[in-house]
Amino acid sequence: AQSVTQPDIHITVSEGASLELRCNYSYGATPYLFWYVQSPGQGLQLLLKYFSGDTLVQGIKGFEAEFKRSQSSFNLRKPSVHWSDAAEYFCAVGPPYSGGGADGLTFGKGTHLIIQP
Amino acid sequence: GAVVSQHPSRVICKSGTSVKIECRSLDFQATTMFWYRQFPKKSLMLMATSNEGSKATYEQGVEKDKFLINHASLTLSTLTVTSAHPEDSSFYICSARDSGRASYNEQFFGPGTRLTVL
Repeated sequence: AQSVTQPDIHITVSEGASLELRCNYSYGATPYLFWYVQSPGQGLQLLLKYFSGDTLVQGIKGFEAEFKRSQSSFNLRKPSVHWSDAAEYFCAVGPPYSGGGADGLTFGKGTHLIIQP
Repeated sequence: GAVVSQHPSRVICKSGTSVKIECRSLDFQATTMFWYRQFPKKSLMLMATSNEGSKATYEQGVEKDKFLINHASLTLSTLTVTSAHPEDSSFYICSARDSGRASYNEQFFGPGTRLTVL
């Protein structure tokens, strides 16, 4: 069964500093990988996704993530965080489309990002 | 593009009543929609997969008779929580997969519905 591990429950970063959120996955094949951000009481916004090709993917809001197959990782990075980046971040893994059901995403437990002034 | 709406955004109901939550894809067709549940400070757990015109597929441990799912059109799926109890209080989030881009299994999420059962 697939699983996603986000080892950091909370991360505190100073505004303007760089950020890296870790994500490791367990999956039988190469999965589709996603990073979502959730503000309190809100739904999920897609930051970026990886399906295939270039292992460094660019997303919205200045985020990027790198897929490393050998490490089963898909870490999220941002060179300089802004106070508005404070939120909950979820890494998710999903199968390629199978033509039927069982295509739901498996989410990590999330990392709560706190931005210090 | 790729906007998903949910209605209502918040609902408070008495124990024993039923509540219906709607999930709509506003600018694309979605053969498949998904329902997730999120507990406070917890991750999202997939409850069921909703396929237009067929029965939903439920995840292990999810009661089919309590969480009724109907996907009657390519833009609408509904989740009905029947005979709701306080333990059903949660944040319910739906997602929809664009039928035109299904091969990427990219899902677009709604804003969520906060259900509180008194």
